[in-house]
Amino acid sequence: GQNIDQPTEMTATEGAIVQINCTYQTSGFNGLFWYQQHAGEAPTFLSYNVLDGLEEKGRFSSFLSRSKGYSYLLLKELQMKDSASYLCAVTDSNYQLIWGAGTKLIIKP
Amino acid sequence: IAGITQAPTSQILAAGRRMTLRCTQDMRHNAMYWYRQDLGLGLRLIHYSNTAGTTGKGEVPDGYSVSRANTDDFPLTLASAVPSQTSVYFCASSAQGGNGELFFGEGSRLTVL
Repeated sequence: GQNIDQPTEMTATEGAIVQINCTYQTSGFNGLFWYQQHAGEAPTFLSYNVLDGLEEKGRFSSFLSRSKGYSYLLLKELQMKDSASYLCAVTDSNYQLIWGAGTKLIIKP
Repeated sequence: IAGITQAPTSQILAAGRRMTLRCTQDMRHNAMYWYRQDLGLGLRLIHYSNTAGTTGKGEVPDGYSVSRANTDDFPLTLASAVPSQTSVYFCASSAQGGNGELFFGEGSRLTVL
């Protein structure tokens, strides 16, 4: 079966750095997405990786290793507004998105 | 700026009733999707449409139906609601299908009693 694993919950301190991991086992791979979802709101797009390596976008970076079936989202200089759930999703060989359950990130002052 | 509009935002419904969740987008995206989101589970695809006039079943299609008469509208119908359909429903669209960024509506919170 297809599976995406991410930690259920993480806690970090304002101003610090946090890494949210995502491992996947899917039938084929056509890209990996990270979305941010604040409580009670819709998910919003953060990043897309299709090739191995690091993609940097401001305070957020996303890394992909296709051979390891692994990605991480790195958040730097954490702010209170970064408290949210972070969803990892993989596009499989049929171009269907498979979603992880999400990681709830709690930022403490 | 509209993007995707869903209605209603919240609804309490008696079991056995018929309910249609509306979804309209103004971005001229070809692909549209309906997801449900339940606590502790990832987003689960109910139905999708790659282009106007076509629809397909997702991971959890039972009890739901959709139509795509035009590019902009993608309503989701529950023919006879059951309590297990209590969930938050998100409509989404994409310009590039499975490889493209998804744009989500604000969600419809449905409670079936």
